[in-house]
Amino acid sequence: AQKITQTQPGMFVQEKEAVTLDCTYDTSDPSYGLFWYKQPSSGEMIFLIYQGSYDQQNATEGRYSLNFQKARKSANLVISASQLGDSAMYFCAMRGGRGGSRLTFGEGTQLTVNP
Amino acid sequence: KAGVTQTPRYLIKTRGQQVTLSCSPISGHRSVSWYQQTPGQGLQFLFEYFSETQRNKGNFPGRFSGRQFSNSRSEMNVSTLELGDSALYLCASSSSIGRGTEAFFGQGTRLTVV
Repeated sequence: AQKITQTQPGMFVQEKEAVTLDCTYDTSDPSYGLFWYKQPSSGEMIFLIYQGSYDQQNATEGRYSLNFQKARKSANLVISASQLGDSAMYFCAMRGGRGGSRLTFGEGTQLTVNP
Repeated sequence: KAGVTQTPRYLIKTRGQQVTLSCSPISGHRSVSWYQQTPGQGLQFLFEYFSETQRNKGNFPGRFSGRQFSNSRSEMNVSTLELGDSALYLCASSSSIGRGTEAFFGQGTRLTVV
């Protein structure tokens, strides 16, 4: 079965510093997609970044980058220059494999940005 | 371009009642998926619709059902509500059902069963 593991229940970072949120995944399928979402306290899931299993380069979207290490099955999210508004729950998710097009989510990491 | 719209935002229902939640996807998107989020179980997949057909179903009892209309809008129904059905229900909209297709979520419907 597919599985996403986020080992950091909570993370703290100072404003303007960079932070890395960890994500490891497990699938035997060679074709899959990896996603990161941000969920503020309001509940909406906000798409941040996507990485395909066949992509040669790490994905980047503004202050977000995905450190994709395929052999290690890890897809860590790096947020540069943290802002107070980055405080939220962050979820790593995967699409593909036996799950087909459904998203399989990790447990999430609660990020707090301190001023 | 309007985002994913879920209605209502909040609901309070009594055990044994039924409830219908609505999701309007992004214009042009034909895939709608539903997820249940609870503190104990996290985010769990309910089902996925594409062009009015259910393509994928999660491990939920038959009390949970859904459908998709020709305009891609989707509804989810839960019958005989139980206290454990209290959750945030999220709808995701995608342009297709490919593995690399981005999924965009609505703000969710927060259901409380008392």
